[in-house]
Amino acid sequence: EDQVTQSPEALRLQEGESSSLNCSYTVSGLRGLFWYRQDPGKGPEFLFTLYSAGEEKEKERLKATLTKKESFLHITAPKPEDSATYLCAVQAWGPGTYKYIFGTGTRLKVLA
Amino acid sequence: DGGITQSPKYLFRKEGQNVTLSCEQNLNHDAMYWYRQDPGQGLRLIYYSQIVNDFQKGDIAEGYSVSREKKESFPLTVTSAQKNPTAFYLCASSFYSGRVAETQYFGPGTRLLVL
Repeated sequence: EDQVTQSPEALRLQEGESSSLNCSYTVSGLRGLFWYRQDPGKGPEFLFTLYSAGEEKEKERLKATLTKKESFLHITAPKPEDSATYLCAVQAWGPGTYKYIFGTGTRLKVLA
Repeated sequence: DGGITQSPKYLFRKEGQNVTLSCEQNLNHDAMYWYRQDPGQGLRLIYYSQIVNDFQKGDIAEGYSVSREKKESFPLTVTSAQKNPTAFYLCASSFYSGRVAETQYFGPGTRLLVL
């Protein structure tokens, strides 16, 4: 069964304290892996799409990487405004390529 | 500005009432989706539509209905058959080509509460 697991569930960091969020997945054939940021009461905001192992994408303090079994979202020198829930989703090849399988997210809190 | 709009932001449903959530996009996307978000759970797909006048059930379609009469619009009706409708509802859209859906972009969401 296709599955996505995100860890940790929650993370508290001091401002400037770098860390990584994990998204591990099991799918029959990965077509794409997606990272989103979601603020409370709002819709998810697209961050990155990764398609193949070894691929990396960067945006400001965020860097996403992908292996054959997992993806990491690295946050370098975070600021309080980076506080949000980060969602990971995977899309598999096959009849259900429309379908995203979402993890439950990591709630990040960055303290000033 | 291109984007996805959802209305209303908050919606209250009385017992036995059907309510309709609006979703509009001006991104010229082919496909549109409805998800439900509950605390502690990943987003779950309710319905999706790849082209106008066609839509398919997702994982939790029972108690919901949709229509896709225009490319820009994909309204969701929560019927009285949905016994636990309280949730945050998200609409998304994407390009769809070669039988593959591209990156999905989300609207701001509608929170549905039961009176």
